[in-house]
Amino acid sequence: DGGITQSPKYLFRKEGQNVTLSCEQNLNHDAMYWYRQDPGQGLRLIYYSQIVNDFQKGDIAEGYSVSREKKESFPLTVTSAQKNPTAFYLCASSIDRLEAYTFGSGTRLTVV
Amino acid sequence: GQQLNQSPQSMFIQEGEDVSMNCTSSSIFNTWLWYKQDPGEGPVLLIALYKAGELTSNGRLTAQFGITRKDSFLNISASIPSDVGIYFCAGQRGSGTYKYIFGTGTRLKVLA
Repeated sequence: DGGITQSPKYLFRKEGQNVTLSCEQNLNHDAMYWYRQDPGQGLRLIYYSQIVNDFQKGDIAEGYSVSREKKESFPLTVTSAQKNPTAFYLCASSIDRLEAYTFGSGTRLTVV
Repeated sequence: GQQLNQSPQSMFIQEGEDVSMNCTSSSIFNTWLWYKQDPGEGPVLLIALYKAGELTSNGRLTAQFGITRKDSFLNISASIPSDVGIYFCAGQRGSGTYKYIFGTGTRLKVLA
């Protein structure tokens, strides 16, 4: 079955470290997205990519970086410049920019 | 970044009751989506709406695309305990960056 897989489910980071969250999809979707969700809040867009080798900043890109070298993969790096990285991170994909998003099951990042 | 206004923010209802929630925007949208998010998981698409005035059902769920194209409504009939979760709306203008804008969410709790 096709789907979108995020790993790991839980991730702990020490202050000052960079960490990379994985997002892989086998849906043959062109577009991929990263969102951040804080407790009791909605979804805020970090980065998005509508095609391989191209990506755009979302509303809260500072302290994050991404790459899109393959259609199937859109990893997110949370850098030490992100001052408050503890959150639930969601990856999504869509067949094109008009269609509904399919979400992964999320990665919960905690700074220790 | 812009987020859509959803109301109510949260609601407690008795099992068997009907539920209504809505999503409003100051902008016109071409597409409305409704998602449900279970605790610790990613949102799952419930209903997609593509035309003003459209009324679409998915089991006990019914959603409507407002005729002004600035709002959408979701109704759940005869609620059951597994309806608990956060319900998000999302809208897209169909122009510009084509990104979906997400609502702030309605948190539903069902009392057995």
